[in-house]
Amino acid sequence: KNQVEQSPQSLIILEGKNCTLQCNYTVSPFSNLRWYKQDTGRGPVSLTIMTFSENTKSNGRYTATLDADTKQSSLHITASQLSDSASYICVVTRSGGATNKLIFGTGTLLAVQP
Amino acid sequence: EAGVAQSPRYKIIEKRQSVAFWCNPISGHATLYWYQQILGQGPKLLIQFQNNGVVDDSQLPKDRFSAERLKGVDSTLKIQPAKLEDSAVYLCASSLGQLEAFFGQGTRLTVV
Repeated sequence: KNQVEQSPQSLIILEGKNCTLQCNYTVSPFSNLRWYKQDTGRGPVSLTIMTFSENTKSNGRYTATLDADTKQSSLHITASQLSDSASYICVVTRSGGATNKLIFGTGTLLAVQP
Repeated sequence: EAGVAQSPRYKIIEKRQSVAFWCNPISGHATLYWYQQILGQGPKLLIQFQNNGVVDDSQLPKDRFSAERLKGVDSTLKIQPAKLEDSAVYLCASSLGQLEAFFGQGTRLTVV
């Protein structure tokens, strides 16, 4: 079954600290994996996108890793800021020939406290 | 480039009433998605269009939900009649081929 699981479900950290969010997937055939940030009341915004051959990709203080063999990905946030408080969603694209399907995780809710 | 536009941003209706949402995708994006996101959950795909054809509507409650994409550009999603459990944020997204999907701000629907 094509699924994306994220952990932890929620996380509270102090401003300035680092954190790592996890994503495990069973989606096949795999096309790409994306991490989105969703602020409360807004639509998701893409942070990174990685294909099968990419192991790591950075976007400022966000660094995503992908292990296609174990079907795991992580999102590392460095020197967290209050504005990082949001839901982080892992999305895996399942190849479907002419059309692809996005499989969403349920997200990790991150709260950064001063 | 302009992003995905959705309207309205908020809508409050009584149960059994009808409601429609509108989405204008990024110009040139062939794929358009409608998602339902219930509070505290990840988005759930309702329907996916490729140009003006439906490629996946397996999770669309067809007895009350309908969607169309006129001329392969704008799209509308309608609920008739609405139920309390339809309260959610309805997200529209578009993509170009297999590249990343861009999301609109969403429409927050409250059914009372």
